[in-house]
Amino acid sequence: DQQVKQNSPSLSVQEGRISILNCDYTNSMFDYFLWYKKYPAEGPTFLISISSIKDKNEDGRFTVFLNKSAKHLSLHIVPSQPGDSAVYFCAASVNSGSRLTFGEGTQLTVNP
Amino acid sequence: EAQVTQNPRYLITVTGKKLTVTCSQNMNHEYMSWYRQDPGLGLRQIYYSMNVEVTDKGDVPEGYKVSRKEKRNFPLILESPSPNQTSLYFCASRAQTGSYGYTFGSGTRLTVV
Repeated sequence: DQQVKQNSPSLSVQEGRISILNCDYTNSMFDYFLWYKKYPAEGPTFLISISSIKDKNEDGRFTVFLNKSAKHLSLHIVPSQPGDSAVYFCAASVNSGSRLTFGEGTQLTVNP
Repeated sequence: EAQVTQNPRYLITVTGKKLTVTCSQNMNHEYMSWYRQDPGLGLRQIYYSMNVEVTDKGDVPEGYKVSRKEKRNFPLILESPSPNQTSLYFCASRAQTGSYGYTFGSGTRLTVV
């Protein structure tokens, strides 16, 4: 039972344009959501997070949106850069606890 | 430098031969966790620990053991490895309060033949 799903295995965008990565979840108990970025041969790196009491969190070029009624979150990257090319994972937890449930990941490719 | 260190980075072993993957963090983090990454499945939590001598099962604990005798170390033990445990393994840690993002190690690529 995949409680966190990223339905797009891959996404390709042009440099300078917006990248939108999507994530859906089924467990209504999740109240904290995170995005991680992963380059080949490296561990995932924490990118940005959002609590369920908010619907938007912004950090530089990265913005995460949360739609609790739809159980959906998205990561927007504006403008996209070639260095953003990586696998992006969304993750969720209950009570900001130690258990973290990840999605399958989306490979983002930003073309120069 | 704040980091999570896993060893070894690569390991090829035979079915049934006990092995340990070590994990150490230098950030005085309370929480530590082990994940495995498999194609199409993302990262799945194997075991986690909320502090010394406190461990619990994650989503895929079968065939694995852990221990947390010291705050900085959280080794992953495969008593009798099988080919279905061939995977990429990550150790991670985070503080109990403050930022809730885990810091991950660089990974251990394990092949069981």
